[in-house]
Amino acid sequence: VMTQSPATLSVSPGETATLSCWASQSFTDNLAWYQQTPGQAPKLLISGVSTRATGIPARFSGSGSGTEFTLTISGLQSEDSAVYYCQQYNDWPPTFGPGTRVEIK
Amino acid sequence: EMQLVESGGGLVQPGGSLTLSCVVSGFSLSNSEINWVRQAPGRGLEWVSYISTSGSDVYYRDSVKGRFTLSRDNANNSLYLQLSSLRAEDTAIYYCVSGDYYYDVWGQGTLVTVSS
Repeated sequence: VMTQSPATLSVSPGETATLSCWASQSFTDNLAWYQQTPGQAPKLLISGVSTRATGIPARFSGSGSGTEFTLTISGLQSEDSAVYYCQQYNDWPPTFGPGTRVEIK
Repeated sequence: EMQLVESGGGLVQPGGSLTLSCVVSGFSLSNSEINWVRQAPGRGLEWVSYISTSGSDVYYRDSVKGRFTLSRDNANNSLYLQLSSLRAEDTAIYYCVSGDYYYDVWGQGTLVTVSS
């Protein structure tokens, strides 16, 4: 089971957003992050905890291990307003967290 | 550019059936593992089914086992998700996505609504 916090995060442009994801069981590498903007399909941001997908800017970074993982968005921009989901693929079936909504103030 | 395009969604009565299609372009389907992920209205993401490159391995989430069938036609770059004995809780946008364990390319989704 994956959990995420906070449910909603309101951040000013240029600031840093820190999103947390917790797993019910410990693992090391098998975690991904996705971004979903309104009306769009999710987009892969990060796999393997910290490896950015092709074309993802460096201001998106992932970290963590064990049961706690973090997505950090530095220098927040208006287009970063979205829901962010973590996903574990350490156990079968793969499961997603409930998401964190990032709002731009 | 890698693309997946779903079709076949619509309104269906409880207990009814529907077949979703996913056509891929810009890459070889025969080299790609494919999944379906769904999203109920206003809700989060839920993995539904997986098919291996050859189609020999297919997996489903427990709640759809015995009701959904996933198949592929590599020659025509297409996949098919047959939905049967549909329930209200199957109402969702169904996304066709590429990847083995995490999902790097997503289609735009097709909406399935189960309602009388």
